[in-house]
Amino acid sequence: DAKTTQPNSMESNEEEPVHLPCNHSTISGTDYIHWYRQLPSQGPEYVIHGLTSNVNNRMASLAIAEDRKSSTLILHRATLRDAAVYYCILRGSGGGADGLTFGKGTHLIIQP
Amino acid sequence: KAGVTQTPRYLIKTRGQQVTLSCSPISGHRSVSWYQQTPGQGLQFLFEYFSETQRNKGNFPGRFSGRQFSNSRSEMNVSTLELGDSALYLCASSPGHRSGRISTDTQYFGPGTRLTVL
Repeated sequence: DAKTTQPNSMESNEEEPVHLPCNHSTISGTDYIHWYRQLPSQGPEYVIHGLTSNVNNRMASLAIAEDRKSSTLILHRATLRDAAVYYCILRGSGGGADGLTFGKGTHLIIQP
Repeated sequence: KAGVTQTPRYLIKTRGQQVTLSCSPISGHRSVSWYQQTPGQGLQFLFEYFSETQRNKGNFPGRFSGRQFSNSRSEMNVSTLELGDSALYLCASSPGHRSGRISTDTQYFGPGTRLTVL
């Protein structure tokens, strides 16, 4: 799987939008962009994924650059419960392992 | 639908002992993956099972092994425990596909087993 680069940490205020960036300059044409997050003392949880078009779900939005070399996870109105480590992961098709390759992620801090 | 369950949640062992951790996937999921999480190395893939077969393994020594049963439940075993094996062990299940990885497949993680080796 291609590598992703994320800032180590970001800070935001409660009830404000948060934009979490991810660079993936070596992404291949068939790689999907997945986001997971890990809340304190819990296992990771799926947030959203996309291929080319922007995606929305109840948790967040995913904005994908036209050249697909970067993407941004958008939390529209952050709450204290959104404080977590956010992981951007590229996932391509292929035989064999179904494992996810986690990087260091972005530690999101939400200030009340 | 019940989520992924892992037992036990906490475990304390001493060096040289062995340990078995258990994972029950979401009903209908056939793929189970195991991960190790430590402060220094982060989340690392251990291995993945599909239909009782290990399809791939991460870069871990042979002391780490696993198996999957016909009901998709999985166990992982660590023999001859070392201090460095202290970690959070996470299990994740996904619907899976016989041909291999599906790029849109979502993994659902359990709460993990916190293993402390003294």
